[in-house]
Amino acid sequence: ETGVTQTPRHLVMGMTNKKSLKCEQHLGHNAMYWYKQSAKKPLELMFVYSLEERVENNSVPSRFSPECPNSSHLFLHLHTLQPEDSALYLCASSPRDWTSGGTDTQYFGPGTRLTVL
Amino acid sequence: GQNIDQPTEMTATEGAIVQINCTYQTSGFNGLFWYQQHAGEAPTFLSYNVLDGLEEKGRFSSFLSRSKGYSYLLLKELQMKDSASYLCAVKDSNYQLIWGAGTKLIIKP
Repeated sequence: ETGVTQTPRHLVMGMTNKKSLKCEQHLGHNAMYWYKQSAKKPLELMFVYSLEERVENNSVPSRFSPECPNSSHLFLHLHTLQPEDSALYLCASSPRDWTSGGTDTQYFGPGTRLTVL
Repeated sequence: GQNIDQPTEMTATEGAIVQINCTYQTSGFNGLFWYQQHAGEAPTFLSYNVLDGLEEKGRFSSFLSRSKGYSYLLLKELQMKDSASYLCAVKDSNYQLIWGAGTKLIIKP
């Protein structure tokens, strides 16, 4: 058991491709997150799920589509991406999300390095 | 708007001490986190401060002054493995995490 895992670790795709990123957490947490990390920029929160329900969507373009089939798995479906979407995509989990008023630490996966050609 | 400021890059010598500063302007405050992120790896939790003062954990310490909107991470007896980016994040009044861009720390022999 390795906490939070992400696959694939690296992905190169064309602008017309469809691909999916997968995240799995083995910590029994109730909340899961998708972040985008670009060089020299703060982490950008994309989506938050709490108990499999989406609680936050920070105005992310519709070419990114999240899915949370259960509290352990999170997907990010990608289609018709743009070159500016190239970044490191991080998944994280925490015991609760912020709507619970908690101060829980978030545990991160190693990320998927995405390159859009 | 909400803002977290950290130096972009710092350089220090093995065995020395380095202080990484973080200043914040947020809508409310409910705690401050420091994370470490090695190149190509996941950010990992280092420390959490919600009250003023210094929290010590081995070679790493974190300080918070809420009145000044200021925190620092102090790393002692630097080792080569401490070369990494250090991320500061603040929980605002809605308990949302606001992230800094991170400080890349380079350790030289």
